[in-house]
Amino acid sequence: KAGVTQTPRYLIKTRGQQVTLSCSPISGHRSVSWYQQTPGQGLQFLFEYFSETQRNKGNFPGRFSGRQFSNSRSEMNVSTLELGDSALYLCASSRQGFGEKLFFGSGTQLSVL
Amino acid sequence: AQTVTQSQPEMSVQEAETVTLSCTYDTSESDYYLFWYKQPPSRQMILVIRQEAYKQQNATENRFSVNFQKAAKSFSLKISDSQLGDAAMYFCAYRTNYGGSQGNLIFGKGTKLSVKP
Repeated sequence: KAGVTQTPRYLIKTRGQQVTLSCSPISGHRSVSWYQQTPGQGLQFLFEYFSETQRNKGNFPGRFSGRQFSNSRSEMNVSTLELGDSALYLCASSRQGFGEKLFFGSGTQLSVL
Repeated sequence: AQTVTQSQPEMSVQEAETVTLSCTYDTSESDYYLFWYKQPPSRQMILVIRQEAYKQQNATENRFSVNFQKAAKSFSLKISDSQLGDAAMYFCAYRTNYGGSQGNLIFGKGTKLSVKP
């Protein structure tokens, strides 16, 4: 069974650009959540999607957005990139998202220059 | 708001020895989950062990076990017979079981574990 797949693995952008990251969950998993990991702030929750609906959202500005498709694949978008957006972005999936084990992907390392 | 604290930024253990990583958390809720995740250099977060707050029995997974003290809000991880492959960042995480926030893991800052041969 394939694990959680995130693409691309690495990304370099410049300030002001926008970026889209992709996450394919484990087959049968309907919940997808996103986390940002930085050395300073650690791991922070961005948002969670379940059956194409955003179910929960962390404390991030509106420049961070996401969506989920009918096949449970999810994308997150960051507009007007800032230097502080440089981070590892991790995606995690689970069947229902209720206290279950989360399975993480290997992340997308975003560098903003 | 819930918080998770890992007071040991770095730990070191000799191969085959036992090491305990500490974690404390703060919450006013009674129904929640606690997790330990491992993040090796590959960056993928790997679930090590999970504890449900309403279960008094401490969770165990092979060489990994926890000491869950609900009243003290403490959740430590014990690794027995440490192996070189155990070297990684270890994160303690909290997850509420109340409506609206089930998808939200709150992480500690992590403990970097080194294993000496």
